[in-house]
Amino acid sequence: DVVMTQSPLSLPVTLGQPASISCRSSQSLVHSDGNTYLSWFQQRPGQSPRRLIYKVSNRDSGVPDRFSGSGSGTDFTLKISRVEAEDVGVYYCMQGTHWPPWTFGQGTKVEIK
Amino acid sequence: EVQLVESGGGLVQPGGSLRLSCAASGFTFSTYWMHWVRQPPGKGLVWVSRINSDGSSTNYADSVKGRFTISRDNAKNVVSLQMNSLRAEDTAVYYCARSLDYWGQGTLVTVSS
Repeated sequence: DVVMTQSPLSLPVTLGQPASISCRSSQSLVHSDGNTYLSWFQQRPGQSPRRLIYKVSNRDSGVPDRFSGSGSGTDFTLKISRVEAEDVGVYYCMQGTHWPPWTFGQGTKVEIK
Repeated sequence: EVQLVESGGGLVQPGGSLRLSCAASGFTFSTYWMHWVRQPPGKGLVWVSRINSDGSSTNYADSVKGRFTISRDNAKNVVSLQMNSLRAEDTAVYYCARSLDYWGQGTLVTVSS
């Protein structure tokens, strides 16, 4: 199974400042079809997960443009350009290239300093 | 608007059974893969099972293989998860998700004597 490793696991940030979360996979996530199936999810307190980013860098509909995804191969990053109060929650990366199983990172808890 | 509404959760004794259902609306259900993902209390996301659009292909996490069965009724827009031989470690919020892009609100399953 592909292991997804996120860092840091806890990220205190100041409102208006940038934030960055790293996600590394135990093997390349490049699919034989040429796509890289790496997604990012946000889970606000008490809510279900919401997908933010798919195929590394594509924002889902309605996702603010302060969220961006980048990376390739085994190293990926989610960036928030200017953190807002509503961004508090846990962020997960997930791979959908080598399935089954689909595998998630441990989660990164973003909180306001 | 995509809506996924899970039901069927509750308290069950170890060794017991439970059937979860997820009612879908707002999209052409019969054209999407559907997944179940669970989240143990205070922990991260764990993929459980997937079914393809016509129900002819299924996958399971090793931890539930042989105990859980996923199925779907495309006439009723419902995906189900039959859970047998339940264990304490199956305690979690269970989410259904459309192709892992839209997620329901979850239903809590507690396995305890």
